Amino acid sequence: DVKVTQSSRYLVKRTGEKVFLECVQDMDHENMFWYRQDPGLGLRLIYFSYDVKMKEKGDIPEGYSVSREKKERFSLILESASTNQTSMYLCASSFRGYEQFFGPGTRLTVL
Amino acid sequence: AQKVTQAQTEISVVEKEDVTLDCVYETRDTTYYLFWYKQPPSGELVFLIRRNSFDEQNEISGRYSWNFQKSTSSFNFTITASQVVDSAVYFCALSDLEVSSSNTGKLIFGQGTTLQVKP
Repeated sequence: DVKVTQSSRYLVKRTGEKVFLECVQDMDHENMFWYRQDPGLGLRLIYFSYDVKMKEKGDIPEGYSVSREKKERFSLILESASTNQTSMYLCASSFRGYEQFFGPGTRLTVL
Repeated sequence: AQKVTQAQTEISVVEKEDVTLDCVYETRDTTYYLFWYKQPPSGELVFLIRRNSFDEQNEISGRYSWNFQKSTSSFNFTITASQVVDSAVYFCALSDLEVSSSNTGKLIFGQGTTLQVKP
């Protein structure tokens, strides 16, 4: 079974803090994705990566950066957290264009 | 541009009723995948099915069935004899098989349909 894990289920941070969200997958997938999910806005793609050290912007990359130093790990970084980044963050991985497998999500609150 | 529309925002049924969740998509590509995901209250998206654009055969898995009609660009999902555990948000998604040379298969999600099954 594919397993995608995320470092925290719930996280509370203060405005201006640097925030790291980590995602690990155990299926040797090339592709990894970060989404945020907000009520009424659905799932929106922030960044994705198709190989180690490779990254591409999604639909809403502003205010975020990513890092992929190892194939199994994809990190999302909020350089200076703001209240409008309070959201549910979902990580996913996939093999080529096939189905994406999602982690349990991190509910981030920025105060 | 690619787009997925799930016109039903919320559906409420009583247990044992059949329910169909609609999904309509737009794409100019000839090859693509369609997906359904389930998001229970716990929050994790669970993959349900993938359909290749070349394969219009309907699929049945237990109480779940999917009807893919290319002529109407629809990929509808039916739950037969619904149960309380089916209560969740259901997402339809579209992936371009040849999205780029990196073949990353980005997903375009619909807005989701919230299904509430009452006992």
